[in-house]
Amino acid sequence: DAGVTQSPTHLIKTRGQQVTLRCSPISGHKSVSWYQQVLGQGPQFIFQYYEKEERGRGNFPDRFSARQFPNYSSELNVNALLLGDSALYLCASSLAGQMETQYFGPGTRLLVL
Amino acid sequence: GENVEQHPSTLSVQEGDSAVIKCTYSDSASNYFPWYKQELGKRPQLIIDIRSNVGEKKDQRIAVTLNKTAKHFSLHITETQPEDSAVYFCAVATGANNLFFGTGTRLTVIP
Repeated sequence: DAGVTQSPTHLIKTRGQQVTLRCSPISGHKSVSWYQQVLGQGPQFIFQYYEKEERGRGNFPDRFSARQFPNYSSELNVNALLLGDSALYLCASSLAGQMETQYFGPGTRLLVL
Repeated sequence: GENVEQHPSTLSVQEGDSAVIKCTYSDSASNYFPWYKQELGKRPQLIIDIRSNVGEKKDQRIAVTLNKTAKHFSLHITETQPEDSAVYFCAVATGANNLFFGTGTRLTVIP
């Protein structure tokens, strides 16, 4: 029974670069959400996708974008990286997306130098 | 967006004692309230959740209570064990299931 998987596990980038993070949800789950967790803080909501459509967007700049594929996997893209983008990026999957339990992946730790 | 406050930020208890963590929220339309446990360097793990049509839920040593009128909910851990030591986050969702998290409580259980 595979859980949520994310790749890569760690990433080091420099300011101004672009990064793509990937997430595979639990089999049968159709909703994927992305969160940013800065060290010492709670996760902050970035995006939610359900059936390939964006269902919600948090208070993040347009440098952040995402998409969901027909197999329900998802990518998070961040352009023009800033030092403040250094964080743990968490993906969570749920069955349908409303009042459903969200299961988190192990995260991608991004360091921007 | 939703404003979630969590207290205390740190909590130390003796093994076997109880621990209580409280959260308040601002949006009266919020209807889903999960609690997550996060150990150092690991993913948040759901430990219990409650929906707005229920006032209390219990799972072995863990319970959650919800007061929708006052807009607060609490996590209760009884008979604490050293392995309960972690950071605990409350979260709130409204409709679309976008979770808004509290700032976390670092629980230390002293053997």
